[in-house]
Amino acid sequence: AQSVTQLGSHVSVSEGALVLLRCNYSSSVPPYLFWYVQYPNQGLQLLLKYTTGATLVKGINGFEAEFKKSETSFHLTKPSAHMSDAAEYFCAVSLPYTGFQKLVFGTGTRLLVSP
Amino acid sequence: NAGVTQTPKFQVLKTGQSMTLQCAQDMNHNSMYWYRQDPGMGLRLIYYSASEGTTDKGEVPNGYNVSRLNKREFSLRLESAAPSQTSVYFCASSETQLSRDSDTQYFGPGTRLTVL
Repeated sequence: AQSVTQLGSHVSVSEGALVLLRCNYSSSVPPYLFWYVQYPNQGLQLLLKYTTGATLVKGINGFEAEFKKSETSFHLTKPSAHMSDAAEYFCAVSLPYTGFQKLVFGTGTRLLVSP
Repeated sequence: NAGVTQTPKFQVLKTGQSMTLQCAQDMNHNSMYWYRQDPGMGLRLIYYSASEGTTDKGEVPNGYNVSRLNKREFSLRLESAAPSQTSVYFCASSETQLSRDSDTQYFGPGTRLTVL
């Protein structure tokens, strides 16, 4: 069975500081990997995803993530935090070649950005 | 394009009451999903529909039923609500029908349900 672990339910940074949100997965085969963001009182929207090819993936709003197979990780980073980045972030995985996408989500990390 | 819409936005039920959550998408997507979101547990899949006319159970289907009314609409029904079903419910859709595990899912704004 596949699973996703997000370390830290809350992460606090100052505006302009590096953002690092951690995600590790457990899967019998390399999965597809996703980061979704949820702003207050809204649904989730895709930040970025890794399927195949280049392991460094760039997403919207200056975020990027690197797939590291040896570490079973897909950490999300942004060089300089902005107040508008305050939101909850979810890492998710799906197994390839199963015939249908079933996303398994992590428990989420709330990013707090202070001035 | 409105994307994925959900009604109602908020609902309070008493134990034992029934209700239907409505979801519609205008992106001509084949696949639709219902999730519930609980604090500290992320999102969990309740039911999904790979295409019009088909539905399948997800991780937490007990206490729920679904109907894929047509390609646009996918409803979730609680026949006899219980306090354990207090949650935020999200509907989502994605484009393709089969073997596209990498597809992006598009989410609605959610329905916040409280069962007393």
